[in-house]
Amino acid sequence: QVQLQESGPGLVKPSGTLSLTCAVSGGSISSRNWWSWVRQPPGKGLEWIGEISDSGSTSYNPSLKSRVTVSADKSKNHLSLKLTSVTAADTAVYYCARADGGFDIWGQGTLVTVSS
Amino acid sequence: QPVLTQSSSASASLGSSVKLTCTLSSGHSSYIIAWHQQQPGKAPRYLMKLEGSGSYKKGSGVPDRFSGSSSGADRYLTISNLQFEDEAVYYCETWDSTIRVFGGGTELTVL
Repeated sequence: QVQLQESGPGLVKPSGTLSLTCAVSGGSISSRNWWSWVRQPPGKGLEWIGEISDSGSTSYNPSLKSRVTVSADKSKNHLSLKLTSVTAADTAVYYCARADGGFDIWGQGTLVTVSS
Repeated sequence: QPVLTQSSSASASLGSSVKLTCTLSSGHSSYIIAWHQQQPGKAPRYLMKLEGSGSYKKGSGVPDRFSGSSSGADRYLTISNLQFEDEAVYYCETWDSTIRVFGGGTELTVL
């Protein structure tokens, strides 16, 4: 059974870059799926950030597109997220998720706080 | 792009049934959606994929108490024989070739 595990720094300074990794186990990131990042600010709803396909195509939320890069490392079987020029508004739990149509597998999430 | 509208809250008694609604925006009434459950302090959990025809496919381990149906632009999640563990926020999700969107979520309280 495919499992996803996010990791990365829990604290990022304002104007810095948020970098997270999602390890995929029990399956291959090269399978015919899309692999996404979703975030959830404290007490708020879910927001899709962006995704990458098995062929390397990417798609991003227009509201974040200028600051976001989603990539995949097939040799390590993981995907990555980079979000630049962060502010306090980027404080959230960040999830990775597999999309087979809709999101059918979610990671447990990791909290990232933007603060000096 | 599609927009999903959900009521912010709902409540129902233990052992009863509740029907949650997710409405697709104009021009997107044929879209497939997915329902997700988020219990307090936990990650979202995939419940099912639901088509405009009303056909649905549940995720692994989702109890039989959960079912889906559709009418026009509305997509429904029905939970029967409510249990306290069903108290959660329920999100709908849809997608097209360039974007994925979530509804605002419905917070379900089991009385």
